[in-house]
Amino acid sequence: ETAVFQTPNYHVTQVGNEVSFNCKQTLGHDTMYWYKQDSKKLLKIMFSYNNKQLIVNETVPRRFSPQSSDKAHLNLRIKSVEPEDSAVYLCASSRQANTEVFFGKGTRLTVV
Amino acid sequence: GDKVKQSPSALSLQEGTNSALRCNFSIAATTVQWFLQNPRGSLMNLFYLVPGTKENGRLKSAFDSKESYSTLHIRDAQLEDSGTYFCAAEANYAQGLTFGLGTRVSVFP
Repeated sequence: ETAVFQTPNYHVTQVGNEVSFNCKQTLGHDTMYWYKQDSKKLLKIMFSYNNKQLIVNETVPRRFSPQSSDKAHLNLRIKSVEPEDSAVYLCASSRQANTEVFFGKGTRLTVV
Repeated sequence: GDKVKQSPSALSLQEGTNSALRCNFSIAATTVQWFLQNPRGSLMNLFYLVPGTKENGRLKSAFDSKESYSTLHIRDAQLEDSGTYFCAAEANYAQGLTFGLGTRVSVFP
């Protein structure tokens, strides 16, 4: 049963465009995350966020930014997409750090 | 994939047989999770482990933090067990989950 909801499922866009992906969790969790899964299926964390702290993976380019309106929502904005941004972006949440993490179904981004 | 090494990378199993997957950690893992990713890409939670062992139906998993490894045993493999199994570890400094590269499991009749 899904409790982390992502939209859209798929998005195709051109190089240089801005995109935004939405994520909402209904689990009452305090911490949310964005992960990127590349074409080789490697999953890497991009951001970890709760109401007190944003932790950014140092390898994430500055054109990526998380946006949160409340603890149930964490969107992902990409300011000017590049071809290497083509991937599946997975949103996740957990009650707090070091507790069980639950994932959404992902948003597949294709940059042409 | 360097900090969490999964083996084997791929596995072909006949229905009804048993097998084991393994993860070795080069980070100070405090918790481990195992997931099954289906062909559509959804990550299904299998186990969340602090050091110790858990069992759920035909699956059993163990996490040894001192020896820095975790295992996932599949008993009596079924066709629906096919997919990619990922292990992921989290350390105390709370940087989120660090994933292995996955084990692609194919179960055949």
